[in-house]
Amino acid sequence: DAGITQSPRYKITETGRQVTLMCHQTWSHSYMFWYRQDLGHGLRLIYYSAAADITDKGEVPDGYVVSRSKTENFPLTLESATRSQTSVYFCASSTANEQFFGPGTRLTVL
Amino acid sequence: GESVGLHLPTLSVQEGDNSIINCAYSNSASDYFIWYKQESGKGPQFIIDIRSNMDKRQGQRVTVLLNKTVKHLSLQIAATQPGDSAVYFCAEIAHSGYSTLTFGKGTMLLVSP
Repeated sequence: DAGITQSPRYKITETGRQVTLMCHQTWSHSYMFWYRQDLGHGLRLIYYSAAADITDKGEVPDGYVVSRSKTENFPLTLESATRSQTSVYFCASSTANEQFFGPGTRLTVL
Repeated sequence: GESVGLHLPTLSVQEGDNSIINCAYSNSASDYFIWYKQESGKGPQFIIDIRSNMDKRQGQRVTVLLNKTVKHLSLQIAATQPGDSAVYFCAEIAHSGYSTLTFGKGTMLLVSP
């Protein structure tokens, strides 16, 4: 189906483990984004990418790594998960101003 | 669903009433604004946008008003329905076309039948 998908939808992991959240879009949008959403903070930008092989930090990049080898995929990796990274993660893509969001991944770090 | 609505400002209305959700933005250089709706367990969904050279824009049952003097946005929803219950976010872009959005913290709208 066309659109933007995220996997897994739910993930429980332990402190110190590496976790990768996947994001895939079928529109060939050039821009892709990762946000985290926490109570009291709204949506905060972690990383974004303007095109394949071009990524840049957002507001809260520490503890996260991204890559964009193909236009349609934008995985987010937590190299060593911490409890403070428990959150809901949203991926988005856009051509210009309007961003289209995925359904989110709820990550719990124990 | 996700508990993103806790601790948010909440607006409670009756079905059929008009709703007004307000947002203060921070960057006087922002030139493009978007309202998003987020239902429980889902990602944000685009509702309506407005450029800084406009002060009003209308969509289907929704109107966005922009007051650049006081850096204020509002979203008006006419004849509110139970399906409008959600968290509403405003977002701003400093340079239209660059695509990096800054989101407000959101307002929860609760519509009673």
